[in-house]
Amino acid sequence: AQSVTQPDIHITVSEGASLELRCNYSYGATPYLFWYVQSPGQGLQLLLKYFSGDTLVQGIKGFEAEFKRSQSSFNLRKPSVHWSDAAEYFCAAGGDSSYKLIFGSGTRLLVRP
Amino acid sequence: NAGVTQTPKFQVLKTGQSMTLQCAQDMNHEYMSWYRQDPGMGLRLIHYSVGAGITDQGEVPNGYNVSRSTTEDFPLRLLSAAPSQTSVYFCASSPVDGKANYGYTFGSGTRLTVV
Repeated sequence: AQSVTQPDIHITVSEGASLELRCNYSYGATPYLFWYVQSPGQGLQLLLKYFSGDTLVQGIKGFEAEFKRSQSSFNLRKPSVHWSDAAEYFCAAGGDSSYKLIFGSGTRLLVRP
Repeated sequence: NAGVTQTPKFQVLKTGQSMTLQCAQDMNHEYMSWYRQDPGMGLRLIHYSVGAGITDQGEVPNGYNVSRSTTEDFPLRLLSAAPSQTSVYFCASSPVDGKANYGYTFGSGTRLTVV
């Protein structure tokens, strides 16, 4: 079955520290992969997406993600976290044969001053 | 501003009442969908549509109806609200020429409480 797993429910980092949020997927073919961010009371905003080619993709707000086929992973990274990055982050997967995206359960990021 | 507009933002219903959550987009996106978001469960697909007159069920369709008479609008109807439908509802849209290539544009959500 197709699925997206985000193993960390909560992560707390200090402002200025680096960040890595984990995402693992199970999909029949190489999926299209996405990271979204949701600020409190808001909808989801697309941070970045991977279709093919370069496995390191850059997104908005200084985020990047690396696709690793051998590990079925698409981890999100940021070298230096800002207090405004506190939010919930969702990983999602889709494919050529479907319009539907499958979402992970989300990781809530807390930032310590 | 272009985007996905959801109304209302908040709603409280009594058990058994009916209501319609509105979703409109002005980007000429063929694909539209409804998700519900519950703590610890991520987003679950309720219904989706790939164009006017075409709808299909998602992962959790029971208790919800949809229709798509125009490209712009995709309302979600609760025929007889139940406390289990307390949730935050999101509408999302996308072009279809690239299937899932583009990712979705989301509305800001409707927070529904059924008492």
